[in-house]
Amino acid sequence: DAGVIQSPRHEVTEMGQEVTLRCKPISGHDYLFWYRQTMMRGLELLIYFNNNVPIDDSGMPEDRFSAKMPNASFSTLKIQPSEPRDSAVYFCASSHRDGDQANYGYTFGSGTRLTVV
Amino acid sequence: SQKIEQNSEALNIQEGKTATLTCNYTNYSPAYLQWYRQDPGRGPVFLLLIRENEKEKRKERLKVTFDTTLKQSLFHITASQPADSATYLCALALYSSASKIIFGSGTRLSIRP
Repeated sequence: DAGVIQSPRHEVTEMGQEVTLRCKPISGHDYLFWYRQTMMRGLELLIYFNNNVPIDDSGMPEDRFSAKMPNASFSTLKIQPSEPRDSAVYFCASSHRDGDQANYGYTFGSGTRLTVV
Repeated sequence: SQKIEQNSEALNIQEGKTATLTCNYTNYSPAYLQWYRQDPGRGPVFLLLIRENEKEKRKERLKVTFDTTLKQSLFHITASQPADSATYLCALALYSSASKIIFGSGTRLSIRP
């Protein structure tokens, strides 16, 4: 398996523009997570899905952020409109069902480095 | 408020020595605790898990302890090597939702030859 695949690896955009980040989880994983990492705040959980259904979006900072998972092999995180304070590395992770998650942890993608100027 | 704290932002260790990293938490009742390694420009990689009813877990040169009374986990790397240099993150899985884990801010470990 190629692991969790995120695209793009880097994104530079102007303030006010829409940004879409993409993630392909590992086949067979039931859970998908979106995290944001900054020097100041570390890794923050934004939202997670179980079997394509959003379970907890309490970490989504504002209405400008939205996430979808239309099927088991694809998820998007959208920011509209983007602001300079959204600059961060965004990670997608996937995992097995609860019983296995404890043993195997999460598998993270390589992240998307977003810069909003 | 709920908090996860990892000791000092950076730790410098001589090669061959044991590196010990600390993770303290407050106002959580974790089901289990995980440790991850993160290299620059990469996502975190899962290393080890320890459950709340376990005291110690080992994997090769790695050892994790978990003291729910002290609300602390210690992560040890014995016979450290320069290749062990990375940032190490602890993560708590909450009872209320075992699927959801919360990360500490990480400790950057440097092993000098």
